[in-house]
Amino acid sequence: EIVMTQSPATLSVSPGERVTLSCRASQRVSSNLAWHQQKPGQAPRLLIYGASTRATGIPARFSGSGSGTEFTLTISSLQSEDFAVYYCQQYNNWPQTFGQGTKLEIK
Amino acid sequence: EVQLLESGGGLVQPGGSLRLSCAATGFTFSTYGMSWVRQAPGKGLECVSGIGGSGGSTHYAGSVKGRFTISRDNSKNTLYLQMNSLRAEDTAVYYCAKGGPLDDFDYWGQGTLVTVSS
Repeated sequence: EIVMTQSPATLSVSPGERVTLSCRASQRVSSNLAWHQQKPGQAPRLLIYGASTRATGIPARFSGSGSGTEFTLTISSLQSEDFAVYYCQQYNNWPQTFGQGTKLEIK
Repeated sequence: EVQLLESGGGLVQPGGSLRLSCAATGFTFSTYGMSWVRQAPGKGLECVSGIGGSGGSTHYAGSVKGRFTISRDNSKNTLYLQMNSLRAEDTAVYYCAKGGPLDDFDYWGQGTLVTVSS
């Protein structure tokens, strides 16, 4: 099973700041990497697939990069609605696995 | 508009069974793989099972293999998860997701809570 490791676990930031979240895979997953956002009491929502392609309706301030084992999600200017938990997910191998999540908190 | 609506969750005793359903609308159901993902209270996401569009290919996480069965009825646009021999550690919100065993999950249902307790 591929282990996905996200860092940091929690990030305290101010609105308007630029943030970068990291995700590392224990084995190469090519570009079969997605990012999901989850707000309290809600289902996850797909942000990025194929490591760098924004899903339908996702604002341009969200961008993804990386391939192989190292990936990043960047939010260029944090809005109030972006404070949530972010999960990376590999879908290169079964079982699909998720990172433990990075929580963005308001500073 | 894609919509996924889960049902069938509830309180069940250890060793009991439940069947979850996921009604899908807004896309051609039979041409897409589907999956079940769960989230224990306060924890992260775990993919428990996936199925191909035709239903011929199924996959299970090791934690549920032999106890859970995924299936689909393409004539009813509905995905199922039969859960047997339930354990306390199966307590979670179960989400239905559009996307198969080797796909990204582009849409999620709102989830249904399964509580296994005596």
